[in-house]
Amino acid sequence: QVQLQESGPGLVKPSETLSLTCTVSGGSISSYYWSWIRQPPGKGLEWIGYIYYSGSTNYNPSLKSRVTISVDTSKNQFSLKLSSVTAADTAVYYCASAVYYYDSSGYHRHAFDIWGQGTMVTVSS
Amino acid sequence: DIQMTQSPSTLSASVGDRVTITCRASQSISSWLAWYQQKPGKAPKLLIYKASSLESGVPSRFSGSGSGTEFTLTISSLQPDDFATYYCQQYNSYSPEITFGGGTKVEIK
Repeated sequence: QVQLQESGPGLVKPSETLSLTCTVSGGSISSYYWSWIRQPPGKGLEWIGYIYYSGSTNYNPSLKSRVTISVDTSKNQFSLKLSSVTAADTAVYYCASAVYYYDSSGYHRHAFDIWGQGTMVTVSS
Repeated sequence: DIQMTQSPSTLSASVGDRVTITCRASQSISSWLAWYQQKPGKAPKLLIYKASSLESGVPSRFSGSGSGTEFTLTISSLQPDDFATYYCQQYNSYSPEITFGGGTKVEIK
């Protein structure tokens, strides 16, 4: 059973780059797509972006200019970098994943059925 | 961009009540809609996928319906464990982006 665990600094200074890693255990990193989602304190969920096993990515247009998601298949990890952070980037950051599958109508993403526990990142000097 | 609008934002109900939450998409997403339950301090939990398919292990009092742009999550008989915040999410395979609704908090009346 696949499990996810986020890791990274809990405090980042304004204008710096937030870097988080999600480690995948209990299964292979292939056949899934891997995503980052965040939740500011007291607010709703915001999708940040995702990456396929192939390395192909898609990002939230509102964050696209500042986001990079990458995958290291040798380490069974995928990572998030968010540059030029401000206080508005303070949030709990979740990694999540789901199967990417093929059927008669083409390739499809499943809904996120695997989540990490989340890690709180505060942007402050 | 596909926008997802949930209503109501807050719902007060009693144990045993039938509860319905609505989610509307700004354009057709076929049946590419999921519902999640989130409790304070916890990660969201998948309840329903493809609009009406019940995730394994989720109680049958949860059900989803709809297609196109209008969807509903129904809890047939609210239980104490169901007081939480619920989010819809579109994951249309023909659109690269993923969008969550704003959430519905189900409170004790």
